[in-house]
Amino acid sequence: GNSVTQMEGPVTLSEEAFLTINCTYTATGYPSLFWYVQYPGEGLQLLLKATKADDKGSNKGFEATYRKETTSFHLEKGSVQVSDSAVYFCALSDSGGGADGLTFGKGTHLIIQP
Amino acid sequence: DAGITQSPRHKVTETGTPVTLRCHQTENHRYMYWYRQDPGHGLRLIHYSYGVKDTDKGEVSDGYSVSRSKTEDFLLTLESATSSQTSVYFCAIKERYEQYFGPGTRLTVT
Repeated sequence: GNSVTQMEGPVTLSEEAFLTINCTYTATGYPSLFWYVQYPGEGLQLLLKATKADDKGSNKGFEATYRKETTSFHLEKGSVQVSDSAVYFCALSDSGGGADGLTFGKGTHLIIQP
Repeated sequence: DAGITQSPRHKVTETGTPVTLRCHQTENHRYMYWYRQDPGHGLRLIHYSYGVKDTDKGEVSDGYSVSRSKTEDFLLTLESATSSQTSVYFCAIKERYEQYFGPGTRLTVT
């Protein structure tokens, strides 16, 4: 079956530091990959996505590249801000535009200190 | 904002009572989902729907049932709530490749 593994944290960084959150996956087909963010007390927001190998998703200064050879989709940001403090979830879908749900990692709690 | 609302937003109930959570969407999306979020587990799929009256089980469906009698509403029912079903429940819709989530329902079973 499908699975997603990500570092759980908490990950604590100082403002303006470089961020990497690792995500690796196992899937039977050619999945689409996603990063979601959950701010305290809120629901999940789609941060970025990639639907095929070598695609780079980007949004709000965050980037992730779909690496099929290493089955990875690591999230990066060059300079984090206090407002980036949140829980980040890596997820995959192997149904393309079909019905199947997402498989999530356990989430990484990110804390940015001023 | 994908036009998804969930009700109630918070609920406390006793063990053994039935509970129904509602997900409502306003944009005529075909696919709808129910997930639960628990510490240390991320989000896990409970049930999903691919059309009116068309539903299927997800990873953690035991103890839950769903119904979708019209496109805009997807109901999740706990027939007899247990403490292990204390969780935050999220509804989602799918648009192309992407899923968008509602604000969640925090359910506590005492």
